[in-house]
Amino acid sequence: KAGVTQTPRYLIKTRGQQVTLSCSPISGHRSVSWYQQTPGQGLQFLFEYFSETQRNKGNFPGRFSGRQFSNSRSEMNVSTLELGDSALYLCASSLVIAGGPHEQYFGPGTRLTVT
Amino acid sequence: AQSVTQLGSHVSVSEGALVLLRCNYSSSVPPYLFWYVQYPNQGLQLLLKYTSAATLVKGINGFEAEFKKSETSFHLTKPSAHMSDAAEYFCAVSDIDYGGSQGNLIFGKGTKLSVKP
Repeated sequence: KAGVTQTPRYLIKTRGQQVTLSCSPISGHRSVSWYQQTPGQGLQFLFEYFSETQRNKGNFPGRFSGRQFSNSRSEMNVSTLELGDSALYLCASSLVIAGGPHEQYFGPGTRLTVT
Repeated sequence: AQSVTQLGSHVSVSEGALVLLRCNYSSSVPPYLFWYVQYPNQGLQLLLKYTSAATLVKGINGFEAEFKKSETSFHLTKPSAHMSDAAEYFCAVSDIDYGGSQGNLIFGKGTKLSVKP
């Protein structure tokens, strides 16, 4: 089974621009979560989508948004980029079945650099 | 609120030596705990998970972890380190399970493991 894929792998943007990152989950996985990883703050949860609905959200400004499509693929968008948005953005997918939280499988990430 | 503390941002061991990476958690409910590994320029790979079925959990690549409720710990061990184990390791706790659905992961700051020949 193919793993979680993220595109693009690397991205360089300028302050003030916007960016869209894409994530394709493992086949059959309906939950997609996004995380930001930086040296200073570590791994921080952005949001989770399930059945095209945002189900949970971390403590990030409204410039960070996302969506999920009917095939479970997800995108996240960052508007008005700031230097501090430079980070590795990781997408993770998981099964959603009864019995509690299940492991999340991560993609390779998108390395965003804002200049 | 759940939280995770990893003691030691860097750990260095010799090849063949015991690996011990420490993780303590804080949770108001029975936790779901995970260990992930991250190699340079890659995403996170799941090593093992604890979901209350057994206190000693075996994972991939010879790693295991023991859940100790009295110590609120979930330390990761491997009897004999290999050079290929050099990576960054993250302990994580799952946020409260709401309605049987997926919660987000709360990660520790990570521990970089170096393995000396």
